Amino acid sequence: DQQVKQNSPSLSVQEGRISILNCDYTNSMFDYFLWYKKYPAEGPTFLISISSIKDKNEDGRFTVFLNKSAKHLSLHIVPSQPGDSAVYFCAARLTGNQFYFGTGTSLTVIP
Amino acid sequence: DAMVIQNPRYQVTQFGKPVTLSCSQTLNHNVMYWYQQKSSQAPKLLFHYYDKDFNNEADTPDNFQSRRPNTSFCFLDIRSPGLGDAAMYLCATSRDTIAGASLDTQYFGPGTRLTVL
Repeated sequence: DQQVKQNSPSLSVQEGRISILNCDYTNSMFDYFLWYKKYPAEGPTFLISISSIKDKNEDGRFTVFLNKSAKHLSLHIVPSQPGDSAVYFCAARLTGNQFYFGTGTSLTVIP
Repeated sequence: DAMVIQNPRYQVTQFGKPVTLSCSQTLNHNVMYWYQQKSSQAPKLLFHYYDKDFNNEADTPDNFQSRRPNTSFCFLDIRSPGLGDAAMYLCATSRDTIAGASLDTQYFGPGTRLTVL
């Protein structure tokens, strides 16, 4: 049973525009949510996180929004750059070092 | 640079032949994780070590075992690989993630792609 879902396998965005990647989850006990970025032949690298007690966290061009009532979070990248082209994974943590990942969204930023 | 290293990057084994994947870290993190990622699927946590304490996920098959002889190294042993065990295996580390405390991210290695013939 997939507790973290990314329903869009791919997304294409024009350079300079906003990229919005979405993630839904089912377990209300998750206390932290994370976004990872993955390039081919590399492991995922941490991008940004948000605690379940917050609804927004911003880091430069990246902002994560959390809607607990809807069990939904999103990653906004603005402005999008060609170097942002990668697979983005949403992940959620249960206490006790248990992490659950989504299936990933492949973002392509078109120059 | 401090990092998470996985060897080998590509491993080929035969059906039923035991195989060991290795992971080492220079971050001195006390938590180490093993994930299995099959094609187009989410990385799935198999187990993790908190220091020497082993924590197995409930649905991890008995065919998968792990060893952590010291802080720096962690091994994934697949006792009798089946065709369904072909996947990318990702190792990750983190500092202790205490409930309610600020989260320290996981640092991932590049993965080992396992092929079972």
